Amino acid sequence: EADIYQTPRYLVIGTGKKITLECSQTMGHDKMYWYQQDPGMELHLIHYSYGVNSTEKGDLSSESTVSRIRTEHFPLTLESARPSHTSQYLCASSGYEQYFGPGTRLTVT
Amino acid sequence: KQEVTQIPAALSVPEGENLVLNCSFTDSAIYNLQWFRQDPGKGLTSLLLIQSSQREQTSGRLNASLDKSSGRSTLYIAASQPGDSATYLCAVWVGLGAGSYQLTFGKGTKLSVIP
Repeated sequence: EADIYQTPRYLVIGTGKKITLECSQTMGHDKMYWYQQDPGMELHLIHYSYGVNSTEKGDLSSESTVSRIRTEHFPLTLESARPSHTSQYLCASSGYEQYFGPGTRLTVT
Repeated sequence: KQEVTQIPAALSVPEGENLVLNCSFTDSAIYNLQWFRQDPGKGLTSLLLIQSSQREQTSGRLNASLDKSSGRSTLYIAASQPGDSATYLCAVWVGLGAGSYQLTFGKGTKLSVIP
């Protein structure tokens, strides 16, 4: 079944650690996105990709980076996690609609 | 800059009632408008997508309308059920170029359906 996957679902990590949030989709979509959602707030676009080897920054400034080496894979990396990075991170891909993964809830202590 | 507002922020209704959720946006130059449902701690589930050339879409007990000129959309839920309890998000599609689109979201309406 075509779907979009995110791992881990929950992550609690200490300040200064490097983390990578994984996102994979099996729908064959070229376009993929990362959104950040703080509790009770709107989702904001932080990164997007038109396809392999294409990445762009979104509206919301983020210290994270992304890569797109394979069509189905769009990981997000934080080189040095800080408490201000505590949030929910949602990955999406688009064909006719935008489809979202289940999200990763990140807590940095 | 596109801004999306959803009213009310929260709504509590008894089971069986029909209800309307409202969404307004500031820039009528949108590509699509999409309604989502978000359950606590979960991702987003797409409910309905309305293309800019359409006026409404229906799926089961859900009906969404779009009035681009006035910058408004409504989501109508018929015969509400406790399982409908969730946060409902409205998002407008804005072009990024090269066929990519950014979704600009409202803060959502938190719906509680009381048995």
